[in-house]
Amino acid sequence: LAKTTQPISMDSYEGQEVNITCSHNNIATNDYITWYQQFPSQGPRFIIQGYKTKVTNEVASLFIPADRKSSTLSLPRVSLSDTAVYYCLVGSGATNKLIFGTGTLLAVQP
Amino acid sequence: DGGITQSPKYLFRKEGQNVTLSCEQNLNHDAMYWYRQDPGQGLRLIYYSQIVNDFQKGDIAEGYSVSREKKESFPLTVTSAQKNPTAFYLCASSISQLAGVHNEQFFGPGTRLTVL
Repeated sequence: LAKTTQPISMDSYEGQEVNITCSHNNIATNDYITWYQQFPSQGPRFIIQGYKTKVTNEVASLFIPADRKSSTLSLPRVSLSDTAVYYCLVGSGATNKLIFGTGTLLAVQP
Repeated sequence: DGGITQSPKYLFRKEGQNVTLSCEQNLNHDAMYWYRQDPGQGLRLIYYSQIVNDFQKGDIAEGYSVSREKKESFPLTVTSAQKNPTAFYLCASSISQLAGVHNEQFFGPGTRLTVL
């Protein structure tokens, strides 16, 4: 099973681009990488999912290098409302087990 | 108005009592999941179900039980065998969970269980 590692916390200012990296050295061939956002006392909310290279949607981009041993969530021009915990999730297709990372607390300041 | 609901939001129980947490979805999703989250920690998978009348253990299933008699419902029972049941419990659903593909999970608001 792929184990994931993320920085515990990050600080940023409004309007900046933020990049959060997740390490998953033992990722399997069939695993997908998904990122979620969680506010206190709420359920997580889907942000983006990818398998390789780059994926972009209306709120974020996801960069996955060729070896797929890490991934980077990029949030363009963050605002105060982006202050939350961000989790990367590696889906283990072979065993159908889902492993969430430890989460990164992003604090956006004015 | 589609969504996934959990009830109650807060639950208190005495030690040694079994307690059942409710999870209902009207999204017509096949797959449902239960996670546990402890303060400052990530989510850990307790049980998941890919289809009605079928469910599989996750990483921390000991002390928990589930049923999936209806597509819309996936209740979780926290038994007295669970040594440290106080936690935030999250239920989720997704369209399907095919091997190698994990579709977006939609999470409920969670139930905070406190065992006294």
